[in-house]
Amino acid sequence: ETGVTQTPRHLVMGMTNKKSLKCEQHLGHNAMYWYKQSAKKPLELMFVYSLEERVENNSVPSRFSPECPNSSHLFLHLHTLQPEDSALYLCASTKYPVRWDTQYFGPGTRLTVL
Amino acid sequence: GENVEQHPSTLSVQEGDSAVIKCTYSDSASNYFPWYKQELGKGPQLIIDIRSNVGEKKDQRIAVTLNKTAKHFSLHITETQPEDSAVYFCAASKGNQGGKLIFGQGTELSVKP
Repeated sequence: ETGVTQTPRHLVMGMTNKKSLKCEQHLGHNAMYWYKQSAKKPLELMFVYSLEERVENNSVPSRFSPECPNSSHLFLHLHTLQPEDSALYLCASTKYPVRWDTQYFGPGTRLTVL
Repeated sequence: GENVEQHPSTLSVQEGDSAVIKCTYSDSASNYFPWYKQELGKGPQLIIDIRSNVGEKKDQRIAVTLNKTAKHFSLHITETQPEDSAVYFCAASKGNQGGKLIFGQGTELSVKP
């Protein structure tokens, strides 16, 4: 148990659906991250939030919309996704938004887009 | 931008043997190199890291070596056990780019009893 939880663990959605992924960290951290993990590819950083402010957006399509209402919660809102968006979506947190800080990952949400 | 190459993509060893995973990075300004282990159904978990001011770091059966000149670093696991079976990721980061890590493609390690 890393102290980072994600729900749901599995999600199947059609291309016209709207869904949200939720992440919650119980570590008192100040920075949270969304990553995309596709088979045989490196983890791709999508968004970084520091103290609830988005500090990084790595050219992610607008069909992915993050939200960070407080330092413990992070959401990823999904709409009109494509089949190639099917992947494992990982949330992570660090105490400080610095490169050397250990990233604590949640177990991920396995997303399938039909 | 920074690029991290990781080899091999799969590795199978007998229990008790050693395993070595290698990564190379492209940006000489990179100065922090963590290794993460991802077990089935779980997120990656940090197992060891090294900063560019040291050449080697060891923690029980796990060690990491760094060659800044050649821009590569390696993970060494000795006396492997079946519970070491997982996917291992190397990563690199530099400067003041916040928490941004550039990850390698991952190595699936299988330890056969």
